[in-house]
Amino acid sequence: GAVVSQHPSRVICKSGTSVKIECRSLDFQATTMFWYRQFPKQSLMLMATSNEGSKATYEQGVEKDKFLINHASLTLSTLTVTSAHPEDSSFYICSASAVRGYTFGSGTRLTVV
Amino acid sequence: DAKTTQPPSMDCAEGRAANLPCNHSTISGNEYVYWYRQIHSQGPQYIIHGLKNNETNEMASLIITEDRKSSTLILPHATLRDTAVYYCIVRVHGGETSGSRLTFGEGTQLTVNP
Repeated sequence: GAVVSQHPSRVICKSGTSVKIECRSLDFQATTMFWYRQFPKQSLMLMATSNEGSKATYEQGVEKDKFLINHASLTLSTLTVTSAHPEDSSFYICSASAVRGYTFGSGTRLTVV
Repeated sequence: DAKTTQPPSMDCAEGRAANLPCNHSTISGNEYVYWYRQIHSQGPQYIIHGLKNNETNEMASLIITEDRKSSTLILPHATLRDTAVYYCIVRVHGGETSGSRLTFGEGTQLTVNP
């Protein structure tokens, strides 16, 4: 139980375009989901907390207008990287709070060329 | 959430027990110790958590000292597939209704050698 599905697993986009990443809780409802970013050889850095039906809470230094988060239902949160640039290339991971702890998606490798 | 300290890397021979330490000297009475691991290019995977008693599941054992200032994750018979970064995290156990965030330190890179 407590599975989080993240899609796509890998995406390559051109600089200046936008990319949407989906995070779905498959067998439970997630009032709150979390978005992380991970650069090579570094730990996960929390970007924002996504709350169903309300605005996301962003960590300090994360541009809310660049990383748009929508959590319109109890099973789906989306992260849209707008006007992507090469420095946005990273591994993006979502997570949801479940009964025994936090469950993570398998991650999305974003490459901006 | 209390801060944790872990060694940056460890090696273990395949088939032997891997013992990963974690210091959390500022842990509060209501904070649990969680362990996750991240295999390269995948999302973190939950391993185990505990409050003060030792815990065991199909993946690992968690030994928490009596003063709760440190803990050890034990993989009893490490395999090559256990090579990963292991994260020790201390936080209040909130479950579904908590919504409080989970923050990661640097973790320990465990390498299991054949």
